[in-house]
Amino acid sequence: DAKTTQPTSMDCAEGRAANLPCNHSTISGNEYVYWYRQIHSQGPQYIIHGLKNNETNEMASLIITEDRKSSTLILPHATLRDTAVYYCIVRVAWGPSWDYKLSFGAGTTVTVRA
Amino acid sequence: NAGVTQTPKFQVLKTGQSMTLQCAQDMNHEYMSWYRQDPGMGLRLIHYSVGAGITDQGEVPNGYNVSRSTTEDFPLRLLSAAPSQTSVYFCASSSEGGGTQYFGPGTRLLVL
Repeated sequence: DAKTTQPTSMDCAEGRAANLPCNHSTISGNEYVYWYRQIHSQGPQYIIHGLKNNETNEMASLIITEDRKSSTLILPHATLRDTAVYYCIVRVAWGPSWDYKLSFGAGTTVTVRA
Repeated sequence: NAGVTQTPKFQVLKTGQSMTLQCAQDMNHEYMSWYRQDPGMGLRLIHYSVGAGITDQGEVPNGYNVSRSTTEDFPLRLLSAAPSQTSVYFCASSSEGGGTQYFGPGTRLLVL
């Protein structure tokens, strides 16, 4: 799976949009971009994923650049409950290098402040 | 749906004791897995299953056994607990073998 680079931490004001960047310059054509978060002491929570088109669900939006070398997770109206570590994961969906294991890097620690 | 449930939430064991961590899901997912997470570290895959009766090892399987007799349940057995197995254990399930995995709340295990 391709390596990802995320900022170590970021702060966000409550009620504002939080934009979380992720670089994945070595992504290959059959790799998807996934986002998870882990709130303190809880299990990781799936947020969203995409291949090349922008995606939106009830939790967030995912913007993937045209060359697919980077992406941005957008939390449209951050709340205090969005304080968590956010993980950007790039993984193969099929093919000989497929691996069931999810590899979480260090992630971005997001702190939402009142 | 309850999603993925795990019991117990917290357990203290003495070295050498055995126990079973329970995991159940009500989403009819074929794939289930166990991860452990040590302080300040990422998740490490212990064992996983691609369907009832089929299991395979992850990256840290030693000291753990699993079986999958039903689609819903995937218990993790510690045969002889060691202090190195002190960790938080997460169970996850997914409908396909991709990246969309749903995690349980975790079991915190302390081995003395």
